[in-house]
Amino acid sequence: DAKTTQPPSMDCAEGRAANLPCNHSTISGNEYVYWYRQIHSQGPQYIIHGLKNNETNEMASLIITEDRKSSTLILPHATLRDTAVYYCIDRAGGTSYGKLTFGQGTILTVHP
Amino acid sequence: NAGVTQTPKFRILKIGQSMTLQCTQDMNHNYMYWYRQDPGMGLKLIYYSVGAGITDKGEVPNGYNVSRSTTEDFPLRLELAAPSQTSVYFCASSSAMGGLETQYFGPGTRLLVL
Repeated sequence: DAKTTQPPSMDCAEGRAANLPCNHSTISGNEYVYWYRQIHSQGPQYIIHGLKNNETNEMASLIITEDRKSSTLILPHATLRDTAVYYCIDRAGGTSYGKLTFGQGTILTVHP
Repeated sequence: NAGVTQTPKFRILKIGQSMTLQCTQDMNHNYMYWYRQDPGMGLKLIYYSVGAGITDKGEVPNGYNVSRSTTEDFPLRLELAAPSQTSVYFCASSSAMGGLETQYFGPGTRLLVL
């Protein structure tokens, strides 16, 4: 899997949108972008994933640039409970089962 | 569904002792994984399994063993505990929907080796 880079930390005010960037400049054509988060002391939680189209679910939106070299995870109305470490991961579909490579992620702090 | 459960939640071991970390999932997932997470670091894959009777090494398998006799259970064995194995261990599972499966994680086992 290719490597991703994320800022080490970000702050966001409660109720505002949190926009978390991720660079994956060496992503290949069959690699998806996944986002997980880890709230303190808990196991990671899946948020969303996408290939090249923008995606939205009940938790977040994922915006992928046209060249696929970067993406942004958007939490539209951040709450205090969204304070967590957010991991951006790219991995291939097909046979790369289990090959999630977690980096150090972005520590998002949502403040009142 | 309980999802992925892990026992124990916390354990202290002396150097050289052995133990088994238990992991069970009730989602009928074929794929199961063991990760470790050292303080301030991301997760590293230890072992994974694509089905009962099939296991394979991940990124950091040394010092660990696994078995997969049933779909539900995927225990991780530490034979000779070392201080370097002090970590938080997470078990995860996923289905195999064309390789785009998401992983569901357990709450973790915190292990301290003294």
